[in-house]
Amino acid sequence: GEDVEQSLFLSVREGDSSVINCTYTDSSSTYLYWYKQEPGAGLQLLTYIFSNMDMKQDQRLTVLLNKKDKHLSLRIADTQTGDSAIYFCAESLSGTYKYIFGTGTRLKVLA
Amino acid sequence: DADVTQTPRNRITKTGKRIMLECSQTKGHDRMYWYRQDPGLGLRLIYYSFDVKDINKGEISDGYSVSRQAQAKFSLSLESAIPNQTALYFCATSDPGTGSDNEQFFGPGTRLTVL
Repeated sequence: GEDVEQSLFLSVREGDSSVINCTYTDSSSTYLYWYKQEPGAGLQLLTYIFSNMDMKQDQRLTVLLNKKDKHLSLRIADTQTGDSAIYFCAESLSGTYKYIFGTGTRLKVLA
Repeated sequence: DADVTQTPRNRITKTGKRIMLECSQTKGHDRMYWYRQDPGLGLRLIYYSFDVKDINKGEISDGYSVSRQAQAKFSLSLESAIPNQTALYFCATSDPGTGSDNEQFFGPGTRLTVL
């Protein structure tokens, strides 16, 4: 079945890089996404990658996709306290409406 | 003004009560979704609607019903609330024609507590 897994917590020091990992099981995904949820707010799209790409860079964010291992990662360079939030990966399945979310990783940035 | 709004933002109710959560959007999107978020479980899809006449069950629809009153409005009802429906509920919209094929736009959420 379809499943998207993430570790629940990550703690880093301000200025360090953060790497949030995600594994998924469905190989038919078209797009893979990273969403950010700040306290008291809904989810907001951070970045996405098309399934035929290996890497996407967007300012401080780097997304790596390993299709063979079904592994997605989000690297945040120079992590700031404002990056503290819950990060969800999600996959959109080819030809369907369907969107599968991971369990979310709570990132805590220590000053 | 926010593109996707939800009312109420917080609600406390008792077991057995009927509750309606409302969602409105100004994005002009046809597709709308209701999710619930529970700690450690991520978001799970309750119902989704591709247009006013097209409503479908998601993975956890038992105990819930929906109404799509217009393109802009999608309501979620709990017919007889029970404590394990205590959760954070999100409405979302999408338009398959936009950039990433199915980016979803979320409302701010409704925190529901059933006592």
